[in-house]
Amino acid sequence: DAKTTQPNSMESNEEEPVHLPCNHSTISGTDYIHWYRQLPSQGPEYVIHGLTSNVNNRMASLAIAEDRKSSTLILHRATLRDAAVYYCILSPLYTGYALNFGKGTSLLVTP
Amino acid sequence: AAGVIQSPRHLIKEKRETATLKCYPIPRHDTVYWYQQGPGQDPQFLISFYEKMQSDKGSIPDRFSAQQFSDYHSELNMSSLELGDSALYFCASSPQEYTGGAFRNTEAFFGQGTRLTVV
Repeated sequence: DAKTTQPNSMESNEEEPVHLPCNHSTISGTDYIHWYRQLPSQGPEYVIHGLTSNVNNRMASLAIAEDRKSSTLILHRATLRDAAVYYCILSPLYTGYALNFGKGTSLLVTP
Repeated sequence: AAGVIQSPRHLIKEKRETATLKCYPIPRHDTVYWYQQGPGQDPQFLISFYEKMQSDKGSIPDRFSAQQFSDYHSELNMSSLELGDSALYFCASSPQEYTGGAFRNTEAFFGQGTRLTVV
């Protein structure tokens, strides 16, 4: 599996935008970029995914570099409830294929 | 909306005992995944099933086995338990959709987990 690299931790103030980076220089053409997050004491939660184009949903936006070697998850206005570990995952998503979690970014949101 | 249900939520077993964890996926989700998350660790993929057949395998010990039944629920069986098996075990389910020229699982929904403590 292609590897991803994320900062160990980031900090943000409440109500401000947060940009969480992910480097994936060995991404293959069939890999989708997925983001999940895990709040304390809960199971991981899907955030967003994309292949080549930028994506928006109600939770976040995903900005994908033109060469696809990096991506950024954007939380437009961080809230205290957004404090979690954020995982960037690459996967072709074929049916039943594993989603392999690596080391994510622990986001701290301060009031 | 119905979510992924795992049972039991908590389980305490002694070393060398066996444990069975159950997972009930969201209706009409035909793919199930199992993950293990040790204290302070990231989730580690164990095994997955699609339409009752094993579809992918990760770092699952030989002492563990799993299956998916005709009603799509899944069970993770763990034998000869060791202290190091103490962890949160998550199950996730996912529907298929046709996108990008293939059938894919684009979003996985995770349960609340089973906390296994081996003493």
